[in-house]
Amino acid sequence: KQEVTQIPAALSVPEGENLVLNCSFTDSAIYNLQWFRQDPGKGLTSLLLIQSSQREQTSGRLNASLDKSSGRSTLYIAASQPGDSATYLCAPVGQSSYKLIFGSGTRLLVRP
Amino acid sequence: EAGVTQSPTHLIKTRGQQATLRCSPISGHTSVYWYQQALGLGLQFLLWYDEGEERNRGNFPPRFSGRQFPNYSSELNVNALELEDSALYLCASSVGQGYTEAFFGQGTRLTVV
Repeated sequence: KQEVTQIPAALSVPEGENLVLNCSFTDSAIYNLQWFRQDPGKGLTSLLLIQSSQREQTSGRLNASLDKSSGRSTLYIAASQPGDSATYLCAPVGQSSYKLIFGSGTRLLVRP
Repeated sequence: EAGVTQSPTHLIKTRGQQATLRCSPISGHTSVYWYQQALGLGLQFLLWYDEGEERNRGNFPPRFSGRQFPNYSSELNVNALELEDSALYLCASSVGQGYTEAFFGQGTRLTVV
């Protein structure tokens, strides 16, 4: 059974800092891994999708890496802004289940 | 292009009643996933439909059920509502089976009183 852990659970930083959010998963048999953000009470917004054959994916100030063999993914946020404040979720898709399994998220607050 | 749309946005029901939640996927997407997010808890997988068939089911009682229509839209039904069913219900769609990007709707907030 896939288990996903995200560290840290919460993070408060001043604007402008570069951030690292960590995601680990127990079953490396995945098709891909997605990173999402969720604003309070809202749905999820897809940030990045990394296929299992990829090591890295970039979109603007966001960069996600994947080390499938060790069951780890990292989301880097460069030059953080108050608008980045949200909960960030990672979700690998299992090869046997085809479903996204979510971690409990990292709650990020970027202070002006 | 329209994203994933869910209706209604909010739903208030009494314990014991039935609730029906609806989801329209992005055009061209054949897979629809349902997730439950109870307050303070993580996203729990409920159901996955693809090409009109139920493909996978999470660890929820049978009173949670659904279907997918020929146009790939989907319905989630919750029978005999209990207070602990109060949650944000999220629908996602993707092209094919799980190895493509999934997109989520804004959710239906179900409150059971």
